[in-house]
Amino acid sequence: EPEVTQTPSHQVTQMGQEVILRCVPISNHLYFYWYRQILGQKVEFLVSFYNNEISEKSEIFDDQFSVERPDGSNFTLKIRSTKLEDSAMYFCASKGGAGRNQPQHFGDGTRLSIL
Amino acid sequence: AQTVTQSQPEMSVQEAETVTLSCTYDTSESDYYLFWYKQPPSRQMILVIRQEAYKQQNATENRFSVNFQKAAKSFSLKISDSQLGDAAMYFCAYRSGIGGSNFGNEKLTFGTGTRLTIIP
Repeated sequence: EPEVTQTPSHQVTQMGQEVILRCVPISNHLYFYWYRQILGQKVEFLVSFYNNEISEKSEIFDDQFSVERPDGSNFTLKIRSTKLEDSAMYFCASKGGAGRNQPQHFGDGTRLSIL
Repeated sequence: AQTVTQSQPEMSVQEAETVTLSCTYDTSESDYYLFWYKQPPSRQMILVIRQEAYKQQNATENRFSVNFQKAAKSFSLKISDSQLGDAAMYFCAYRSGIGGSNFGNEKLTFGTGTRLTIIP
């Protein structure tokens, strides 16, 4: 069964550094998402993306965050200048179409640790 | 804004027994979807079951079924004949049915999760 794949599985970065989290959505999917889960807390929506533009973003997704689909297969999340509070598990998800009952399919996540 | 509440941080059940995980939500919308996702230690979020709010019939997927009470805004998950592989964190999630300009791209709103332990 097709899967959403995320790399790396674990990223350790110094505070203030830029980090790029990568995702390869399921190949024929059109809708893409990033969520994050701070340790012990619930999964929170960051951003949704369709047709090469952001559809919706949460208040967490400030100017330090950006997303890109650079080559038609990858979907990346960039954090420009990381803070300690950015430490979390980051999940990418994709959805096939606008159909009413289409579910989002999640990747395994990238654990981001900011030192 | 919609909220999802899971009031049981942890649950345990004997193998082969039945367990019910609770979820309540708050919304002013009439058209929406509800999901249960499973997150095993391997971390991947796996869709377990989904329910359309306009359907009165409770969704069922093999050993997994839901009790959807729209008026009470309750969406519990029942796992029958529990197996060791069912051990995981279970998240209840809500998605709007109508997105307007976001049509098709509606975000998921998650509860805080219930950690399910299966006792051999």
